[in-house]
Amino acid sequence: QSALTQPASVSGSPGESITISCSGTSSDIGAFNYVSWYQQHPGKAPQLIIFDVSNRPSGISNRFSGSKSGTTASLTISGLQPEDESDYYCTSFVHNPPRRVFGGGTKLTVL
Amino acid sequence: QVQLVESGGGVVQPGGSLRLSCVASGFNFYNFGMHWVRQAPGKGLEWVAFLQHDANDKAYAGSVKGRFTISRDNSDSTLFLEMNSLRGDDTAVYFCAKEQKGNNDGSGSHFAWDSWGQGALVSVSS
Repeated sequence: QSALTQPASVSGSPGESITISCSGTSSDIGAFNYVSWYQQHPGKAPQLIIFDVSNRPSGISNRFSGSKSGTTASLTISGLQPEDESDYYCTSFVHNPPRRVFGGGTKLTVL
Repeated sequence: QVQLVESGGGVVQPGGSLRLSCVASGFNFYNFGMHWVRQAPGKGLEWVAFLQHDANDKAYAGSVKGRFTISRDNSDSTLFLEMNSLRGDDTAVYFCAKEQKGNNDGSGSHFAWDSWGQGALVSVSS
């Protein structure tokens, strides 16, 4: 059982927007603005797409955006493209004891 | 460019030991905190361990604490994971990952990983 809760799957059509939620607690997402999101294609290493809740690394499309409300973080992908079809993971810092926790992952299908 | 290359994976019997290495290049390894993250076959990502840039601080997931040891050799730009008392549920691809923000950097986050290795497969089976 993962520490953070994500939907197992989401889907959308090209051009649409989708949102993936990541639910935590007051000890992780609710306590810190240290949520990051990763995209992982099959057989590949994860790639950072959002850090510190809502920041995009250089080179990441502005179609990807992140937000947080209380103990839930969200990743929104707008203007869905076929290459967005992938697995997405959220992660957060937890303080006591210091560690990182992941969500179980969400499989995005672009219809 | 940044490159992380893991090695040392393989098949080991339950109760056995294995040592993973991760050779870094393309950045000042001694300035960055490093982590190990694993992924069991067909499963999600699981954080395993962290080691501060100067090795003065480290942390482990509860599932590996007391069995795994993370270490580094900054002179060789290499990260290690010593794994003892291996169990079947340790079977996974093990990735090393670099923190986005370095010790003296002004940008990025210590709580995100911007570079990952290709992974090393560890299979624990009799």
